Amino acid sequence: GENVEQHPSTLSVQEGDSAVIKCTYSDSASNYFPWYKQELGKRPQLIIDIRSNVGEKKDQRIAVTLNKTAKHFSLHITETQPEDSAVYFCAPVKAAGNKLTFGGGTRVLVKP
Amino acid sequence: DAGVIQSPRHEVTEMGQEVTLRCKPISGHDYLFWYRQTMMRGLELLIYFNNNVPIDDSGMPEDRFSAKMPNASFSTLKIQPSEPRDSAVYFCASSLGTGDPSRGYTFGSGTRLTVV
Repeated sequence: GENVEQHPSTLSVQEGDSAVIKCTYSDSASNYFPWYKQELGKRPQLIIDIRSNVGEKKDQRIAVTLNKTAKHFSLHITETQPEDSAVYFCAPVKAAGNKLTFGGGTRVLVKP
Repeated sequence: DAGVIQSPRHEVTEMGQEVTLRCKPISGHDYLFWYRQTMMRGLELLIYFNNNVPIDDSGMPEDRFSAKMPNASFSTLKIQPSEPRDSAVYFCASSLGTGDPSRGYTFGSGTRLTVV
């Protein structure tokens, strides 16, 4: 099965700084790469995703980059704000609709 | 659309009792997933269905857990008998197996189960 690892497990940044989380996966057949954000006591919510035929995707302050050769993809958050404080999960997928295998999560704390 | 609907939101039960968690997926979605989240084990997939048929139940911890999907709009996860180590947040999610994957998977609000 898919082996997914996230680094770091915790990340503390000053408001306005950037945050980067890396996700490494094992299954070369993975072709869809989402990132989820989970605030305390709430459900995971999709914040950005990328397909295997694209190297980078950006949506305002967040971006995802993909290196299929090395089997890793990263979440980039720029100009961090206190509301970015949450746990972030990567979950590479082999095909649309197939099961998500979540990484262990990265707890991000943005200090004002 | 109201999204994925789970009930109850919170459940407190005594060890040994039967617990049934319920999920209504988004209309038209053909995949349904049950996840469990704990501090120790993170988010783990228990079982998933495609067109009401169980596809992979390898994540179901033991025979005390069972899941059904009698129709496209309803699924249950049952624990009998419940044990304190079953305490967790249980999420249901649904997705569309075809079409644009960027539509994403949608999670329900979860059921927080406490077994005392």
